[in-house]
Amino acid sequence: DAGITQSPRHKVTETGTPVTLRCHQTENHRYMYWYRQDPGHGLRLIHYSYGVKDTDKGEVSDGYSVSRSKTEDFLLTLESATSSQTSVYFCAISPRDPNTEAFFGQGTRLTVV
Amino acid sequence: SQQGEEDPQALSIQEGENATMNCSYKTSINNLQWYRQNSGRGLVHLILIRSNEREKHSGRLRVTLDTSKKSSSLLITASRAADTASYFCATAGRGTGFQKLVFGTGTRLLVSP
Repeated sequence: DAGITQSPRHKVTETGTPVTLRCHQTENHRYMYWYRQDPGHGLRLIHYSYGVKDTDKGEVSDGYSVSRSKTEDFLLTLESATSSQTSVYFCAISPRDPNTEAFFGQGTRLTVV
Repeated sequence: SQQGEEDPQALSIQEGENATMNCSYKTSINNLQWYRQNSGRGLVHLILIRSNEREKHSGRLRVTLDTSKKSSSLLITASRAADTASYFCATAGRGTGFQKLVFGTGTRLLVSP
């Protein structure tokens, strides 16, 4: 899986609690992405990073924040989890912009109860 | 809104048959990519076709791109049970600045022995 590790792989949390998902890469790729996958919606981009401390919003960023303090780590935080954020979250990396292929992690299944 | 829409949503065939999936998109693109997702796993990049290309091959995969119709097709020849997966097209837009990769909702392919 191209040296990408997501943690945790599964998590159940309660509404209103903060949750942090971690993506770790060993490829030294510049670009990192967080997507969510929901039935009927495919994958939707939440946030992305184009370098250390350089991040920007995707199409569904409300309720999420990210941080990238090191090249290898990209954290996704749900500030106050809601049931609508129950989803499967995927981290992806690419050496350059989307004009090249992206490599995906195994995903984190998050359930907010 | 989704850029790519796959058709059909689901496809069931026998081993040895060919499988064809179609993708339509809405705006000008730099490239179009196809990914495969096995159940419970992350996406795996299959092939990338640039906007100035019309056809590309990779093993048993054949991708065509018609920019005038804003459509692409993925053909898997001599399908195997191991090809059972969901297949997604993704488009990288054309323009200055960061162009996110936008995914469609996918085609679920079932190949029966």
